[in-house]
Amino acid sequence: DAGVIQSPRHEVTEMGQEVTLRCKPISGHDYLFWYRQTMMRGLELLIYFNNNVPIDDSGMPEDRFSAKMPNASFSTLKIQPSEPRDSAVYFCASTDRGSGTGHETQYFGPGTRLLVL
Amino acid sequence: EDQVTQSPEALRLQEGESSSLNCSYTVSGLRGLFWYRQDPGKGPEFLFTLYSAGEEKEKERLKATLTKKESFLHITAPKPEDSATYLCAVQATGYGQNFVFGPGTRLSVLP
Repeated sequence: DAGVIQSPRHEVTEMGQEVTLRCKPISGHDYLFWYRQTMMRGLELLIYFNNNVPIDDSGMPEDRFSAKMPNASFSTLKIQPSEPRDSAVYFCASTDRGSGTGHETQYFGPGTRLLVL
Repeated sequence: EDQVTQSPEALRLQEGESSSLNCSYTVSGLRGLFWYRQDPGKGPEFLFTLYSAGEEKEKERLKATLTKKESFLHITAPKPEDSATYLCAVQATGYGQNFVFGPGTRLSVLP
């Protein structure tokens, strides 16, 4: 398996522009997570999906952030409008909780490094 | 509220100098404790999962242990390639509980 795939790997944009981050989870995984990582706050959970349905978006910082999962193999995280404080590394992770094994290891993608000027 | 702290924040070792990293946690009920390694510019890479106090897991030069309040990641005779940030996360019992990550320990192993 290719693992979790994220694109783009790097994004530089100007304040006020729309940013869309993309994620392809590991095939067969039924949970998908979006995290944000900064030096100050570490790794923070933004939102997660189960079988393409958003379950908990309480970590989404504000209404400028939105996430969708139209199918089992694709998710997007959108920021509109973007602000300099959104600059961070955004990770997507997936896991298979439906396996019944009790093993819920999350597998992370390489991340998207976002810089908002 | 579930919390995870890690110490030290940063650790510098000479090659071959063994040491331990600490992860202390507060959680209502522990479903699992996870150790990840993160290299600069990459996503966290899974190392171990521990489920109950007294459990130990080993992989090459790394050994993770778990008590009711903390976990240790022991590094025996480290090599420069072990340099990375080591992250600890806990998952509480109960439906839909998610990972709570600690801030990490930055390990540097000098040749």
